[in-house]
Amino acid sequence: NAGVMQNPRHLVRRRGQEARLRCSPMKGHSHVYWYRQLPEEGLKFMVYLQKENIIDESGMPKERFSAEFPKEGPSILRIQQVVRGDSAAYFCASNPPGANVLTFGAGSRLTVL
Amino acid sequence: GENVEQHPSTLSVQEGDSAVIKCTYSDSASNYFPWYKQELGKGPQLIIDIRSNVGEKKDQRIAVTLNKTAKHFSLHITETQPEDSAVYFCAANVGGSSNTGKLIFGQGTTLQVKP
Repeated sequence: NAGVMQNPRHLVRRRGQEARLRCSPMKGHSHVYWYRQLPEEGLKFMVYLQKENIIDESGMPKERFSAEFPKEGPSILRIQQVVRGDSAAYFCASNPPGANVLTFGAGSRLTVL
Repeated sequence: GENVEQHPSTLSVQEGDSAVIKCTYSDSASNYFPWYKQELGKGPQLIIDIRSNVGEKKDQRIAVTLNKTAKHFSLHITETQPEDSAVYFCAANVGGSSNTGKLIFGQGTTLQVKP
């Protein structure tokens, strides 16, 4: 079991560009969560998805951010027109149905120049 | 809104000593409290968790206690080793749901174990 896989591990973008972060959950896990970690801070919930369905996006900024988890392929967190304040580590996590226990990926570190 | 407060923000101990990290939460419906260890450049790793139907749980050198009345839970590490040095996060689930990974995290504690 390869665990939760995230890519890219590091991403550098200039202001105004788009960032796409990908996450494949653990085998057998059908739920995906995205969390953001700003420097020197704890993790903040962004969005919770199942295949083809957004369950809870209460932590997502209203503009420029979107997430999907298609029937085939990884979950994608998309940030349009990035700004310097988007620089952070973005972590994906998954859990099996009916359980709280989250397994986190290694994260994608976004730097906006 | 829901909140989790974690103290201290930094903790330095000598190898072999014990370390205690404390958290308080605000959501009365929370019933799942995990602790994560995060090493530099890596993702958080679950080290222990506790549910509201128990008051204490132990796994080798690590233990967690929960006081639901006070909305308070703590992580205890005994016989600390240099490899315990990391950032530790407490968390609480939101709304008490038993099957969601929506967690509120504390601000983190940087633990340094001096050889």
